[in-house]
Amino acid sequence: NAGVTQTPKFRILKIGQSMTLQCTQDMNHNYMYWYRQDPGMGLKLIYYSVGAGITDKGEVPNGYNVSRSTTEDFPLRLELAAPSQTSVYFCASGTGTTYEQYFGPGTRLTVT
Amino acid sequence: DAKTTQPNSMESNEEEPVHLPCNHSTISGTDYIHWYRQLPSQGPEYVIHGLTSNVNNRMASLAIAEDRKSSTLILHRATLRDAAVYYCIHDNAGNNRKLIWGLGTSLAVNP
Repeated sequence: NAGVTQTPKFRILKIGQSMTLQCTQDMNHNYMYWYRQDPGMGLKLIYYSVGAGITDKGEVPNGYNVSRSTTEDFPLRLELAAPSQTSVYFCASGTGTTYEQYFGPGTRLTVT
Repeated sequence: DAKTTQPNSMESNEEEPVHLPCNHSTISGTDYIHWYRQLPSQGPEYVIHGLTSNVNNRMASLAIAEDRKSSTLILHRATLRDAAVYYCIHDNAGNNRKLIWGLGTSLAVNP
């Protein structure tokens, strides 16, 4: 089991550019989540999904979009990148029964 | 929103027990208490969770106060690998069980 994988590990974007952060899990989990973590802070939920075709907003969804066409994949799309989106992004998955979440290694994004 | 209060930092010596406290006075009756930890430059890692009774697993023990307004994560013998930020979270059962993360406690372990 690879668990939760994220690509890329690092990325530098210019203001106004767009990109997609990829997240894949091989544990057949229904629940998937995207978080961002700013320096010295806890995680903030961006979007989550309770199954293929179902997504919902978290605490900080503005500037992001998600889709969930398969159980395994949950990509996060940044449109018109802004410096405020400089952060480390974590993807997580879970069964939804115990609400235990398994995290990927993160993507460090810098917008300049 | 679900909110917890933890000390900013704590220190322990290797092979000694560590008790990490957490206050969650706004917890409702159906919210679970979760503990995660985050090692430097890594994603968070699940440690333990509970509802009312004390819980044990291979990593730690969780002691929950009778009124559920506080809990304590117990690491029985700290190792250098346990140096991390420990997050106490209670989910929000009324909001699809979303986790609201605070700042956590940074645990240093001295050799």
